[in-house]
Amino acid sequence: ETGVTQTPRHLVMGMTNKKSLKCEQHLGHNAMYWYKQSAKKPLELMFVYNFKEQTENNSVPSRFSPECPNSSHLFLHLHTLQPEDSALYLCASSQEVTYEQYFGPGTRLTVT
Amino acid sequence: GDSVTQMEGPVTLSEEAFLTINCTYTATGYPSLFWYVQYPGEGLQLLLKATKADDKGSNKGFEATYRKETTSFHLEKGSVQVSDSAVYFCALRPNQAGTALIFGKGTTLSVSS
Repeated sequence: ETGVTQTPRHLVMGMTNKKSLKCEQHLGHNAMYWYKQSAKKPLELMFVYNFKEQTENNSVPSRFSPECPNSSHLFLHLHTLQPEDSALYLCASSQEVTYEQYFGPGTRLTVT
Repeated sequence: GDSVTQMEGPVTLSEEAFLTINCTYTATGYPSLFWYVQYPGEGLQLLLKATKADDKGSNKGFEATYRKETTSFHLEKGSVQVSDSAVYFCALRPNQAGTALIFGKGTTLSVSS
């Protein structure tokens, strides 16, 4: 595998479910990101991790819980989501936080 | 704070037409500038970049020149193809240490044959 991979690519979940999104980067980068992309809205930066430490949390509701066990892996744990949370969730990585980012293909999440 | 402003879309063109997507920025100092492209059903891909004033980034027939005097980084292509239909994002690398890239809102391009 090369670049940034995300699994699953598609996820449908009910509002009471608990699920996790996974992101893995094979680029040797030190920073990882979660973005939310909703239809007709700008790209929203959710979380930033640098050397496994969270450096940014942009007022994201607690029903989204990130985890970064090492510099290559990033998870987004989901619980009791709302229909308005349906979106494309993109993971990205970069050498350092201010450097150009490389994106995964995204997970299309639908909350029913 | 630093920001990026892109022209509103969608932009609709016929094949072989000339493309310009405007991007202007507000930032302290001289930030690096980027264009990303997102094809349907995919994540964003880095298209081109420029790191200092008067630099021209180019890739796949697309070009953008870093204009310090007008704080702009407009994306151009001489002859678009149907396969160029995508969303294009302008972004800047802020000078503040530890701050992630700042993205514009994106401009949708639709090219018809």
